[in-house]
Amino acid sequence: SQQGEEDPQALSIQEGENATMNCSYKTSINNLQWYRQNSGRGLVHLILIRSNEREKHSGRLRVTLDTSKKSSSLLITASRAADTASYFCATDDRGSTLGRLYFGRGTQLTVWP
Amino acid sequence: NAGVTQTPKFQVLKTGQSMTLQCAQDMNHEYMSWYRQDPGMGLRLIHYSVGAGITDQGEVPNGYNVSRSTTEDFPLRLLSAAPSQTSVYFCASSYSRTGLYTGELFFGEGSRLTVL
Repeated sequence: SQQGEEDPQALSIQEGENATMNCSYKTSINNLQWYRQNSGRGLVHLILIRSNEREKHSGRLRVTLDTSKKSSSLLITASRAADTASYFCATDDRGSTLGRLYFGRGTQLTVWP
Repeated sequence: NAGVTQTPKFQVLKTGQSMTLQCAQDMNHEYMSWYRQDPGMGLRLIHYSVGAGITDQGEVPNGYNVSRSTTEDFPLRLLSAAPSQTSVYFCASSYSRTGLYTGELFFGEGSRLTVL
């Protein structure tokens, strides 16, 4: 399976600290996406990074992609209690049928006030 | 704009019963998909569609059936419910098929299914 794997599974930090989550995947990709899920809700798209990009920013989010290591990281700077959620990476598979997007198991982030 | 709407939000079935989870989107998206989310397993793709009349299997298609007769709707049918199908089901849509032209997925709020 192409499923990405997030690391760590759980992360607990204080407000104001930075949170870093990592994602590793198995095969070549066209792009990688990060999503957020609040408890009991659907997933919300955060950011997409293409395979020819190395870094992308959106507000307090910074995503990096290293295709040689088949890994990505999501950095949330100056975390807030409202950032408490599960974060998932999702990848396609360059060598496979178009239409499949694979999600990892997620990182549960808890930000304490 | 309602986005992606899933019904019902909650459902309890008995083993062997059949039911349909409804999914509708009002964004004129080509791509629609169904995922199931189980504790510790993340999201797994069940079926997807890249346009009306076109469907394909995902990672865990067994026990589920789909059709795509219109752009807006993508129902998921459980043919004969089993306890292993107890899960949270998410429908998601995108303006383009995944791959080189992947767009962001828009998710519904989920349908929580319990099979006794």
